[in-house]
Amino acid sequence: DQQVKQNSPSLSVQEGRISILNCDYTNSMFDYFLWYKKYPAEGPTFLISISSIKDKNEDGRFTVFLNKSAKHLSLHIVPSQPGDSAVYFCAAGLGSQGNLIFGKGTKLSVKP
Amino acid sequence: KAGVTQTPRYLIKTRGQQVTLSCSPISGHRSVSWYQQTPGQGLQFLFEYFSETQRNKGNFPGRFSGRQFSNSRSEMNVSTLELGDSALYLCASSLRGQGSSYEQYFGPGTRLTVT
Repeated sequence: DQQVKQNSPSLSVQEGRISILNCDYTNSMFDYFLWYKKYPAEGPTFLISISSIKDKNEDGRFTVFLNKSAKHLSLHIVPSQPGDSAVYFCAAGLGSQGNLIFGKGTKLSVKP
Repeated sequence: KAGVTQTPRYLIKTRGQQVTLSCSPISGHRSVSWYQQTPGQGLQFLFEYFSETQRNKGNFPGRFSGRQFSNSRSEMNVSTLELGDSALYLCASSLRGQGSSYEQYFGPGTRLTVT
């Protein structure tokens, strides 16, 4: 049973436009959520996080939105750049436990 | 500040052998977690160590074990390797347990191939 789901395996966006990556979760007890970017044969790179007590967090071109009632979070990248092309993972965690639960990832392609 | 380092980066082993992977966390981080990434299962949690104690464990068989040293460096061991153990093994460090921060920072991973 997947507790964290990324239903879109891929997304293609034009350079300069907005990329919106989505993630749904089932466990309302999650305390925090994170987004990671990953290139092949490398470890995930931390991008941005959000605590469950907030509904928005912004860092440069990246903004994460959390809708607790819908158990949904999204990552907005504005403007998208070709260098953003990678696989993006959302992850969720509980404060009492050290493990992150990851979605299966969404492959973002930003075309020049 | 140096990031998380993992050695070796690539490893080829034969079924039935055992393997030890090493991870050095970011300086000052005392929590180290290990994950396995495979194409079919995605990223799955193996275990977490904090101050030399295993604090949390995922749903993997006992062939997977780990330890942490007093300098926070960690090793994981897989005994009696199976073909299905072929994966990218990732180590992550964090300040969890040292404050309110919960972000985990990953190393480059060790690509293990079992033949």
